[in-house]
Amino acid sequence: GAVVSQHPSWVICKSGTSVKIECRSLDFQATTMFWYRQFPKQSLMLMATSNEGSKATYEQGVEKDKFLINHASLTLSTLTVTSAHPEDSSFYICSARAGGGAADTQYFGPGTRLTVL
Amino acid sequence: DAKTTQPPSMDCAEGRAANLPCNHSTISGNEYVYWYRQIHSQGPQYIIHGLKNNETNEMASLIITEDRKSSTLILPHATLRDTAVYYCIVRFNFGNEKLTFGTGTRLTIIP
Repeated sequence: GAVVSQHPSWVICKSGTSVKIECRSLDFQATTMFWYRQFPKQSLMLMATSNEGSKATYEQGVEKDKFLINHASLTLSTLTVTSAHPEDSSFYICSARAGGGAADTQYFGPGTRLTVL
Repeated sequence: DAKTTQPPSMDCAEGRAANLPCNHSTISGNEYVYWYRQIHSQGPQYIIHGLKNNETNEMASLIITEDRKSSTLILPHATLRDTAVYYCIVRFNFGNEKLTFGTGTRLTIIP
């Protein structure tokens, strides 16, 4: 099956610093990747859709200047949380779109747990 | 996207078949039914998807009613490792169509 990795798996940072999270599709190319956020005891919420070589599309209410997304290659997308604050502490999960037509499916990474002190 | 309705929780005895229902009465003709599960503190895992025919893979079977207004995910021989939150999602199968996660069903496998 399609494998998606994320790095780091967890990170602790001080308030005001920036954190970069990487999402890689290991055995397939992904023109589209997605970034989700999940708070404790809640479901996944889509933050943005990332297309290779173009600007990301952000969901309503997600600050594009705070959550910078770069999808520079067909196997790598990055999410940078700029000037992180404690309320940004969450579980960040990426997915990558694979297949096409009837086989079109999203495969998810293992997630990155961000704690901002 | 059409919305889905799932029971908030279910229990199943280890070794038995787990049948997870999902209602999607407003599904449109081109929307697929996807199932994912999320084990605690992990990313969601793809299980199976289908349009109108029943589907089976190494993990599960998906039974979609003829009118497509509901479906059932079947885990044939549940193990303790199947304890997770299961999400039923309907989605158009093209372009950048996103997955919209609801609250899912928390399945607990009982020894």
